[in-house]
Amino acid sequence: SSELTQDPAVSVALGQTVRITCQGDSLRIYYASWYQQKPGQAPQLVVYAKNKRPSGIPDRFSGSNSGNTASLTITGAQAEDEADYYCKSRDSNGNHNYVFGPGTKVTVL
Amino acid sequence: EVQLVQSGAEVKKPGESLKISCRASGYSFSTHWIAWVRQVPGKGLEWMGIIFPGDSDTRYSPSFQGQVTISADHSVSTAYLQWSSLTASDTAVFYCARLGDEADSDPFDVWGQGTLVSVSS
Repeated sequence: SSELTQDPAVSVALGQTVRITCQGDSLRIYYASWYQQKPGQAPQLVVYAKNKRPSGIPDRFSGSNSGNTASLTITGAQAEDEADYYCKSRDSNGNHNYVFGPGTKVTVL
Repeated sequence: EVQLVQSGAEVKKPGESLKISCRASGYSFSTHWIAWVRQVPGKGLEWMGIIFPGDSDTRYSPSFQGQVTISADHSVSTAYLQWSSLTASDTAVFYCARLGDEADSDPFDVWGQGTLVSVSS
């Protein structure tokens, strides 16, 4: 199986930019998808594939990939962006086997 | 509207069995994989397994293989997660999620609201 690593926590000033990273060998082959989870709520998909957003997700959320690292960037962070963010990718075992990163807590100051 | 609606919270004793459900609506249930994800209180998301309702092809995380059973009944557009003998360590919130159509990154694009399972003597 594969593992994904994320920084446990990051903080960002209101209106500034924050980048959350996710590292893992499987990311050299497969794209990550990113999920936002607020307290007491189900996770929500925010970015997937090369840099796609579901309908309704603000364009301040963007994704990028380089080598074994996937990144989620929030440009102009808002108070409502304070949440836990998880990356997910395929496991090295291939199709329809998945792994989540441990999550990053984003605090908006 | 595409929706996944999960069954309600459960309180069980160790050793008891349990089956929770995830009912899909607003799309073709048989043609999209459904995943199950565990979240222990205060902890992160863990992928448990996934099923293709069209033919019941099922994959499990090694961490959950043999511990749970995933099934689906496409006649009622419902996926299930079941335990034969619960333990206290099964206490968690369980989410179902639909695997979207994007082949490049397999996004879980629709999520159920979660089912809290509490196991205590």
